[in-house]
Amino acid sequence: DTGVSQDPRHKITKRGQNVTFRCDPISEHNRLYWYRQTLGQGPEFLTYFQNEAQLEKSRLLSDRFSAERPKGSFSTLEIQRTEQGDSAMYLCASSWETGANEKLFFGSGTQLSVL
Amino acid sequence: QKEVEQNSGPLSVPEGAIASLNCTYSDRGSQSFFWYRQYSGKSPELIMSIYSNGDKEDGRFTAQLNKASQYVSLLIRDSQPSDSATYLCAVKGFYFGSGTKLNVKP
Repeated sequence: DTGVSQDPRHKITKRGQNVTFRCDPISEHNRLYWYRQTLGQGPEFLTYFQNEAQLEKSRLLSDRFSAERPKGSFSTLEIQRTEQGDSAMYLCASSWETGANEKLFFGSGTQLSVL
Repeated sequence: QKEVEQNSGPLSVPEGAIASLNCTYSDRGSQSFFWYRQYSGKSPELIMSIYSNGDKEDGRFTAQLNKASQYVSLLIRDSQPSDSATYLCAVKGFYFGSGTKLNVKP
């Protein structure tokens, strides 16, 4: 399977706990994106990396959220002290940056439920 | 004001009709525009991209861009029930609108 892989597919946690999600992009892709999507809404941009550098982070993103891409390959998204409002689908996407001609490939997502 | 605005719909069209989906954006400096399709319970997938003013056609799909009006649209000709999905407009590659749900009735 050479697509974008996300793990886990589902995560149920209690309010206040920390959670971490992993994304493995398509191997030759140098850009990696994290999104959050709730029912009836489009993907909300969280952050993106070019190789290992985090180039942009949504100003709406709480300090409880942090993402890393230490070796420019896989990435992790951590949410600390989860709240019920964090319940959503977390999508990862990757691309090969080619200026204006960039196509995002999405993973299947991690569905987070905070009880 | 949101970066990208779309009418949430649902937009209902009969099979064989033309479906017209619209999107406006706020950043006048945006250069790249994309349309993604998302089926229920699935992840978005790219339909087409457009960078220059005017029309771009790909099969049954036509994207239209008007930078002066900050407006992007997607036309789907000969709509099929399999086109029923949410259509997402993306600006600068990675800022998405909330999507328009399209229902194509047989």
